[in-house]
Amino acid sequence: ELKVEQNPLFLSMQEGKNYTIYCNYSTTSDRLYWYRQDPGKSLESLFVLLSNGAVKQEGRLMASLDTKARLSTLHITAAVHDLSATYFCAVGAQKLVFGQGTRLTINP
Amino acid sequence: DSGVTQTPKHLITATGQRVTLRCSPRSGDLSVYWYQQSLDQGLQFLIQYYNGEERAKGNILERFSAQQFPDLHSELNLSSLELGDSALYFCASRVGIKGGGETQYFGPGTRLLVL
Repeated sequence: ELKVEQNPLFLSMQEGKNYTIYCNYSTTSDRLYWYRQDPGKSLESLFVLLSNGAVKQEGRLMASLDTKARLSTLHITAAVHDLSATYFCAVGAQKLVFGQGTRLTINP
Repeated sequence: DSGVTQTPKHLITATGQRVTLRCSPRSGDLSVYWYQQSLDQGLQFLIQYYNGEERAKGNILERFSAQQFPDLHSELNLSSLELGDSALYFCASRVGIKGGGETQYFGPGTRLLVL
């Protein structure tokens, strides 16, 4: 059974700092997704990573995938308050298996 | 805006009751996925339909059922409701993205509260 684990689950950081969220998954998959969710809202698709070594960047967020290590990272550069949200990684070709989510709070 | 619509936005009902949640995928999308998000279980896949046919089943209770109609909208039926069914229910449709690959676009969700 595919399991997806994120860490940390909670992250409080200051504006301007860098940090990384980690996503490990238990069985081979060639697709990994990152989503953002604001409180009480839906999930917004951020990145789709399709192959080993894939790296995608959008603004202050950069995601990468290492299929051999079964690990994806979401790196936040020079955090700003607007990035405060819960971030989920998910794995799967059809049905998605989600991690627990990382609640990110960025303080001024 | 993902283009996926869900109604109603909020639903409050009592234990033992039955409710129907509705989802319309993005125009032209044939697939519908249903997910449940709760505090204790997190985000869980329930069921997938593609062009009217059930394609995959996840952790969906026997009290829950779904269908996809010829116009591609889908309904998730929840019966004999229990307190633990209180959750956010999302539907999603799968779309191709620039650069290759696909992702799932999620609707706004239906927040169900069972009292």
